[in-house]
Amino acid sequence: AQTVTQSQPEMSVQEAETVTLSCTYDTSESDYYLFWYKQPPSRQMILVIRQEAYKQQNATENRFSVNFQKAAKSFSLKISDSQLGDAAMYFCAYRSWNAGNMLTFGGGTRLMVKP
Amino acid sequence: DGGITQSPKYLFRKEGQNVTLSCEQNLNHDAMYWYRQDPGQGLRLIYYSQIVNDFQKGDIAEGYSVSREKKESFPLTVTSAQKNPTAFYLCASSQPRQGTYEQYFGPGTRLTVT
Repeated sequence: AQTVTQSQPEMSVQEAETVTLSCTYDTSESDYYLFWYKQPPSRQMILVIRQEAYKQQNATENRFSVNFQKAAKSFSLKISDSQLGDAAMYFCAYRSWNAGNMLTFGGGTRLMVKP
Repeated sequence: DGGITQSPKYLFRKEGQNVTLSCEQNLNHDAMYWYRQDPGQGLRLIYYSQIVNDFQKGDIAEGYSVSREKKESFPLTVTSAQKNPTAFYLCASSQPRQGTYEQYFGPGTRLTVT
C-alpha cells in the first residue's frame, strides 16, 4: 500500500516571502498522480495543484509550483509571494493509476502567514 | 452552479443512535467517496462507490454503512457500532475516466456524539 508523509506539522512564512512544504511518498508503481490540497479554516478542501508522474516538467499554478523528484519520491510545494489567504492546512495526496481514483493523504502541514 | 452539498453542517447525536449524513452532487460524476478527518490529521477513506448500486469498503469502514441508489446521492450512516464517531466527515466525487482526475469535495459535516 502507498503511504504519504508530510514531515512538517507546522510552517510559518512572512507575508510576501516564499515557503516550501515537503511531501514524500512510498510506492512501487511507475504511473500515478500527486496532488496538493488546501484546507482553510472553513474546512473546504480545495485543489491547489496536480502532477502526473509521467511528466518530467514540474506543474505550476500562478504562485504555486511543485518540485517533483520521482527517483527520490518527493513532491514539495512552493508558495511564492505568500498572502494572508494562504494560511491553511495543506495536504499532499497520492493517486494510483489503476486504483479507482482513490486518494491516499498525508497528515497535513499547517501553514501560518505572518503580516 | 455545479457542486457537492453536504447537510447538515453540524450534527449532534446521543450515543447509541444511528445517524445519516447526506451527500448530493450535480457534477454528473460516477464516483463518490466518504472520508473521515480527526483533529490535526489527514483524511481517511471510509467507503467509495464507482458506480450506482455498487460500493466498496475503504480503510476504516467498520461501524459505517452506505448506499448508492442514485448517481447524485451517496448517504453515509454512522451506526452505534462505530466506537468513536465524533469527527469531521467529507464527501467527494470524481469522474475517473475523463481528463481531470482530481476529487471535488463538499463542505463537510461536523458530527458530535455525546
